[in-house]
Amino acid sequence: DGGITQSPKYLFRKEGQNVTLSCEQNLNHDAMYWYRQDPGQGLRLIYYSQIVNDFQKGDIAEGYSVSREKKESFPLTVTSAQKNPTAFYLCASSTQTDNQPQHFGDGTRLSIL
Amino acid sequence: GESVGLHLPTLSVQEGDNSIINCAYSNSASDYFIWYKQESGKGPQFIIDIRSNMDKRQGQRVTVLLNKTVKHLSLQIAATQPGDSAVYFCAEIFSGGYNKLIFGAGTRLAVHP
Repeated sequence: DGGITQSPKYLFRKEGQNVTLSCEQNLNHDAMYWYRQDPGQGLRLIYYSQIVNDFQKGDIAEGYSVSREKKESFPLTVTSAQKNPTAFYLCASSTQTDNQPQHFGDGTRLSIL
Repeated sequence: GESVGLHLPTLSVQEGDNSIINCAYSNSASDYFIWYKQESGKGPQFIIDIRSNMDKRQGQRVTVLLNKTVKHLSLQIAATQPGDSAVYFCAEIFSGGYNKLIFGAGTRLAVHP
């Protein structure tokens, strides 16, 4: 089945630690996105990538970093500079064509130890 | 500014009734809208979309209505079932440059037997 796989489902971070969330898609989509979701709120864009080896900051990029070395993969690193990392992180992908929906993975829940 | 919001944070309905979830958007230049359903612990799932050159679009048990005059979007679910219980988000896409989604906070739909 084609889809988006995020791992792990649950992740714990210690103080001062960087952690990396995985996102893999086999939909052959060019564009990939990372969102953060806090309880009772909508999704906020962290980073996006329209093509391999290129990515752009979203609305809340501070404390996060990404890479896009392969079309299928768009990992997100939550760095120690992100002081409030506890949230539900969602990865999405879409085609490059205008006005197309984004398809989401099932998320990673990150908590602080 | 750019914003997508929802009128009602929680909607409770009886099984078998019709549900109507409302959404307001602020950018009259947006030309594409999506409704997503999010179940607990999962990523948003695409339900239905509509382009700005349409007023109405129907899917299986769902209908989306777009009123560009008052910048209002609604999702109608016919014969609501317990499996419809979830949080519903409307999202607005700005197609200039990339498919940036702007999400509202969501409406929780609770279906009672």
